[in-house]
Amino acid sequence: EVQLVESGGGLVKPGGSLRLSCTASGSTFSNAYMNWVRQAPGKGPEWVARIRNKADGGTTDYAAPVKGRFTISRDDSKNTLYLQMNSLTTEDTAVYYCATGNLFEDWGQGTLVTVSS
Amino acid sequence: DIVMTQSPDSLAVSLGERATINCKSSQSVLYSSNNKNYLGWYQQKPGQPPKLLFYWASIRESGVPDRFTGSGSGTDFTLTISSLQAEDVAVYYCQQFYSTPLTFGPGTKVEIK
Repeated sequence: EVQLVESGGGLVKPGGSLRLSCTASGSTFSNAYMNWVRQAPGKGPEWVARIRNKADGGTTDYAAPVKGRFTISRDDSKNTLYLQMNSLTTEDTAVYYCATGNLFEDWGQGTLVTVSS
Repeated sequence: DIVMTQSPDSLAVSLGERATINCKSSQSVLYSSNNKNYLGWYQQKPGQPPKLLFYWASIRESGVPDRFTGSGSGTDFTLTISSLQAEDVAVYYCQQFYSTPLTFGPGTKVEIK
């Protein structure tokens, strides 16, 4: 089991930017596909982005609402996953979780992003 | 995009009774080359992240009690709790990982009657 800890959330104005981090414990991070999933208040989870492991090319996929605004990346030497979020809108307000694999086997506790003027 | 629907939206079941949640995908999530259904079930309790219960539609994650059963294939899936316990009060989500965007169902809230 991988332990995941997200950080970097906070209050940001519409149009602003924020970078989230997710630090993983354990030696399996570099082998794992990693995801960001968000959950708006009172709503269900919404997948945001995925990055494959280096062996599978490290390629990325994005949900349509964030494509072109968000960038997922990873630093395997630091066991850390990132989400750069630009041009934020109120619709991006949510708890952001990182989760491992295609099966979302392990989740962090999440970090709250609030976009408000 | 594959759209996931769930029914009912909520249900109240007496302790010890059966709870059944249905999930339907807008297209098949059965991958013919390996005969696996790319479908997962999650349990989410207030203030916690979702927890994986089942993958490949019916493979129970380690530590999940055997009163939980996942079944179904293609486009129709079911999560059954054979004897509801107080700790099972939660929202349950299905999710397809057949293709991106990876999509979740809207959730089913399970409560005690």
